Parts: sequence; C-alpha cells; structure tokens
Amino acid sequence: AQSVTQLGSHVSVSEGALVLLRCNYSSSVPPYLFWYVQYPNQGLQLLLKYTSAATLVKGINGFEAEFKKSETSFHLTKPSAHMSDAAEYFCAVRNTGNQFYFGTGTSLTVIP
Amino acid sequence: DAGVTQSPTHLIKTRGQQVTLRCSPKSGHDTVSWYQQALGQGPQFIFQYYEEEERQRGNFPDRFSGHQFPNYSSELNVNALLLGDSALYLCASSLWGAGYEQYFGPGTRLTVT
Repeated sequence: AQSVTQLGSHVSVSEGALVLLRCNYSSSVPPYLFWYVQYPNQGLQLLLKYTSAATLVKGINGFEAEFKKSETSFHLTKPSAHMSDAAEYFCAVRNTGNQFYFGTGTSLTVIP
Repeated sequence: DAGVTQSPTHLIKTRGQQVTLRCSPKSGHDTVSWYQQALGQGPQFIFQYYEEEERQRGNFPDRFSGHQFPNYSSELNVNALLLGDSALYLCASSLWGAGYEQYFGPGTRLTVT
C-alpha cells in the first residue's frame, strides 16, 4: 500500500531563508511522487513530480525535490523564500492504478 | 486551453438532500478523479473514471456515486447529505497511464446545514 507522511504541519521561515518541507513515502513498488501547492480557496497546483528519472527534480517557482530511496524521502526545498510562497503544500504518491494518496499538508508561513 | 473547470463554485444544502457536482477535464485528458478535502486536511480519494467506468474507489459509502460522459466530463452525486459531507470537492483530470500527473480544478465548496 502507498502512503505519504508530511512531517510538520506548520513551518515558518524568514523571507530569503531556505525552505525545507519534509515528505516520507511508503510504497511497495517504485513510486511516482508529487508536490502540490494550494493557495487559499483554490485548487491544487502541481509544483513538481518524480517518475523514476533523475533523482533531483526541479519544479516551478524555484522549488526542487530530491528522491532518496534509502531514506524513502522526497523533501521539497527552495533556496530563498518569498512572501508569495506562503501556502499549503501537499506531498502525494501515485499507485500503479492511477490513485493518488495525499499527505495531510504543511502550511508554510513566510515572515517578512 | 482551458484547464479543469468545476461547477458550481459554492453550494449550500440541507441535511438529507442530494447534490450533483460537475467537472470538465483539461483538454486532451481522458481520466477524471474526485477528491474530498475537509477543512485542514489533505484531499481524500473518492473515485476515478476512465472510459465512462468507475475504475477505482476510495473508502467512501455508496451515497457517493459518479458518472463520466462520452466527452470525458464527469459528475459527482451525493445522496442523503450529512453534516460531515461539508468539504471542498476537487476534481482532477489526467491521461490514463503511467507517470501522468493530475491537474486539479478550483473545487466546489459544499456546505451542509
């Protein structure tokens, strides 16, 4: 069975500081992993995806994530936080049957 | 190119009533999935439609049903509404097959009173 765990329901960083949002997955097969962002009262927007190609995945808005099989992790990072990055972030894993499993989300606050 | 669209945007219903939510997938997509997102939670998978058939279903009761039309659009129906059905309902479209990401619509906010 597939699942994801997001460590830290709330993360606060200063503007310009490193953003690190943690995600660990559980999967019996090589996973497809995704990060989505959700702004208030909106749907989810895809940030990036891992589909067994390069382990370092670059996404939109300067975000990237590294797939580490040995740690079963897929943490999301951004070198320098911007005020516009404040949002809810969801990690998700997709099973072979096209079903997505989402984590409980991490709310990112950026302090000016 | 229009993305995923959903209607209505907001809906208020009374306990016991029935509701229908609609979704049009992104152009070129053939698969539609529905999710329920309760306040402060991640989306929970309800079911997925491909080729007008329900292909997968999450842990939701039979009160939740759906349909996919030949043009790939989809409906989510919920009968005998409960207060706990209040949530944001998200539709996502994708291409059937390995490795394809889902594109989400803006959601329908359902409030059951």
